[in-house]
Amino acid sequence: GENVEQHPSTLSVQEGDSAVIKCTYSDSASNYFPWYKQELGKGPQLIIDIRSNVGEKKDQRIAVTLNKTAKHFSLHITETQPEDSAVYFCAASMAYNNNDMRFGAGTRLTVKP
Amino acid sequence: EPEVTQTPSHQVTQMGQEVILRCVPISNHLYFYWYRQILGQKVEFLVSFYNNEISEKSEIFDDQFSVERPDGSNFTLKIRSTKLEDSAMYFCASSEGSTGELFFGEGSRLTVL
Repeated sequence: GENVEQHPSTLSVQEGDSAVIKCTYSDSASNYFPWYKQELGKGPQLIIDIRSNVGEKKDQRIAVTLNKTAKHFSLHITETQPEDSAVYFCAASMAYNNNDMRFGAGTRLTVKP
Repeated sequence: EPEVTQTPSHQVTQMGQEVILRCVPISNHLYFYWYRQILGQKVEFLVSFYNNEISEKSEIFDDQFSVERPDGSNFTLKIRSTKLEDSAMYFCASSEGSTGELFFGEGSRLTVL
């Protein structure tokens, strides 16, 4: 089955700097890659996703890139703010089946003011 | 905004006891899921449920686990005889279809002593 690895496990940046979180996946059939943000005391929430037919997607300060050949994808947050502090999870699945969504272990991002 | 709610937020139990974790998915969603996260580890898929039956389950979801939708709103996870290694955060999620965004609850932390 699919195996998703995520790095780093913790990341600390200064406010205004960029943050990058990287994930790799094992199943070349995976074609849907969402990113979830989990704030303290809350459940994970979808913040951005990418499908395998594109290499990059942006939404304001966040972007995700996908390299299908290397089977890795990354989350980029620019101009970080303290409210970006949270745990971020990457995931991979085949787009037509939520049942096989597999998550990474999470990255705890701390943005220092 | 509609949300998935879970109760209890934290439960402490003795090894061998039965535990029921409850979830109220978003009302128009048809697919329901349980995930768990052992501290510091990945979010792991347990089971998915559709049309009043299990549609897929992982190897973690053994005979000690069961799920039920006892009425039109609740979705429960029962652990028959808890073990120490069942200590984890359990997340319920729901989705409108078999694909698309997963909406997570805030999680139920289970501590088995």
